[in-house]
Amino acid sequence: RKEVEQDPGPFNVPEGATVAFNCTYSNSASQSFFWYRQDCRKEPKLLMSVYSSGNEDGRFTAQLNRASQYISLLIRDSKLSDSATYLCVVSERGMTTDSWGKLQFGAGTQVVVTP
Amino acid sequence: GAGVSQSPSNKVTEKGKDVELRCDPISGHTALYWYRQSLGQGLEFLIYFQGNSAPDKSGLPSDRFSAERTGGSVSTLTIQRTQQEDSAVYLCASSLTGTQTQYFGPGTRLLVL
Repeated sequence: RKEVEQDPGPFNVPEGATVAFNCTYSNSASQSFFWYRQDCRKEPKLLMSVYSSGNEDGRFTAQLNRASQYISLLIRDSKLSDSATYLCVVSERGMTTDSWGKLQFGAGTQVVVTP
Repeated sequence: GAGVSQSPSNKVTEKGKDVELRCDPISGHTALYWYRQSLGQGLEFLIYFQGNSAPDKSGLPSDRFSAERTGGSVSTLTIQRTQQEDSAVYLCASSLTGTQTQYFGPGTRLLVL
């Protein structure tokens, strides 16, 4: 079983609509959580960190459910430029430690926003 | 400022040959990571360097893989006796410290024939 699992999609989303997807992680000791974005044939880039209480960054909302061991990402008012693969990333170490060390990446969820 | 750079951008080699992949992290970044990404797959952690600490090599798939980081800056990932299953994109990332955002380089696309 993979440590971080994601629905590969693609999620086909009309422009302006809302899309949400989850990521599950198997290691209950996981403490730090992130969403990265990867455009086709490009390197991943940090989208946002995920905090215990949930957090928003503009049109993006991330939630963490420790009991069920999943994190979610919701994108509101989707733009064509949101088309990408979204990678879920998990670390065993907390954000207050001196190092996040080894990060576990999911295989990604592909989102395609259509006009 | 300059981002993470990697070279070569593409490498085609024959099975059994050795290859060296280079990563130049962002200046001043103390943490450096190597990952590989196979087609349609997520990133697979390979190795992590943090300052002067011993590297975390737990992700290296076999003893054919090794990496070093000289002078706390440039890193080289070496794959000996390459196999076809080594074909992938090898990504390097660096961060200011161990708990800051990782910035990725453009990757080296390795194809082993």
